[in-house]
Amino acid sequence: DQQVKQNSPSLSVQEGRISILNCDYTNSMFDYFLWYKKYPAEGPTFLISISSIKDKNEDGRFTVFLNKSAKHLSLHIVPSQPGDSAVYFCAASSIYTGTASKLTFGTGTRLQVTL
Amino acid sequence: ETGVTQTPRHLVMGMTNKKSLKCEQHLGHNAMYWYKQSAKKPLELMFVYNFKEQTENNSVPSRFSPECPNSSHLFLHLHTLQPEDSALYLCASSQDSGSYGYTFGSGTRLTVV
Repeated sequence: DQQVKQNSPSLSVQEGRISILNCDYTNSMFDYFLWYKKYPAEGPTFLISISSIKDKNEDGRFTVFLNKSAKHLSLHIVPSQPGDSAVYFCAASSIYTGTASKLTFGTGTRLQVTL
Repeated sequence: ETGVTQTPRHLVMGMTNKKSLKCEQHLGHNAMYWYKQSAKKPLELMFVYNFKEQTENNSVPSRFSPECPNSSHLFLHLHTLQPEDSALYLCASSQDSGSYGYTFGSGTRLTVV
């Protein structure tokens, strides 16, 4: 059973517009959430994270929103740039697993930013 | 060299071969991980090492055998693999297993024929 779900396998957005990537989770014990970005032939790189004590975290063009009651988080990229074209993975973790760094990943969303 | 380095980048092996994947991190981290990424599936955690000790084996078949001689190096020894084991194998490291998030290597693309 997949505990972290990214239901949109792909998303296409025009340059300059907002990209919204969504992620849902089922495990209420998750208390930390991360977004990773992956280019072809490279490993995933950390993008932004949020703790369950917050509902929003912002870093430049990237903002992550967390709705604990809905078990939903989203990544907003604004304005979107062609270099943002990549696969974005949502991941979740819980200190209660005993290994806080053990991440459960979604299947990823491929973002294509068009000119 | 900095970050997490994985070799080889690509590997093709027969089902009767024995091969090893290597991971090295230059970040001073104490925890290292092996993940598997198959097509259209989430990244799956395989093994966790914290201060050279294996702390997690996520029900991985014995044809995959990890080795962590020190905090900077991690190996994945492969033998008698199946075609369905073909995937991208990613190594990662973190400060320790209590730290959130980590740094990934670029991965080894494994094809079993």
